[in-house]
Amino acid sequence: EPEVTQTPSHQVTQMGQEVILRCVPISNHLYFYWYRQILGQKVEFLVSFYNNEISEKSEIFDDQFSVERPDGSNFTLKIRSTKLEDSAMYFCASKIRQGRNEKLFFGSGTQLSVL
Amino acid sequence: AQSVTQLDSHVSVSEGTPVLLRCNYSSSYSPSLFWYVQHPNKGLQLLLKYTSAATLVKGINGFEAEFKKSETSFHLTKPSAHMSDAAEYFCVVSGGATGNQFYFGTGTSLTVIP
Repeated sequence: EPEVTQTPSHQVTQMGQEVILRCVPISNHLYFYWYRQILGQKVEFLVSFYNNEISEKSEIFDDQFSVERPDGSNFTLKIRSTKLEDSAMYFCASKIRQGRNEKLFFGSGTQLSVL
Repeated sequence: AQSVTQLDSHVSVSEGTPVLLRCNYSSSYSPSLFWYVQHPNKGLQLLLKYTSAATLVKGINGFEAEFKKSETSFHLTKPSAHMSDAAEYFCVVSGGATGNQFYFGTGTSLTVIP
């Protein structure tokens, strides 16, 4: 089965630093997502992206976050000035078409630790 | 609004015995429901989905789930647990303005005892 690839698998950073989390969605997919899971909490939606723009975002996705699809394959999440509470597992996901019946394909996640 | 509640944070079963992971949902319309599994250091893998066709849904690895509208439930079952089933399981409902948001339960950690 095709896979969503995320790099790095672990990222450690100092508070206040910028981080970029990278994802390669499945090649023919058109809808891209970032989710995160703080330890012991629910997996939370951050943002969805289609046609080179954000289509939906949650309250969590404030001005310190941004997403980009810099080329035809990568999809990145940038956190401008990390805070301790940004420590979480970040999942990238993609799907081929819109609609609530369509399944999401998830990557294996990037564990971000902010010190 | 859409949400799911997973009633057990941890479930422990003996190998070869049945598995039951419970999920209740809340949805303002006919929901699409999913079960995902996460093995250590792996991504979230789809086990099965319900999309208003048959109420009993069969998934991979012998898992199935039954959609019960009267009980607003979508419990995951397997007749006989295998050691490789030990993982974290998430019940998910889709929704949002475009149907593109997935709402996760808090997860159930399944332990299989040899």
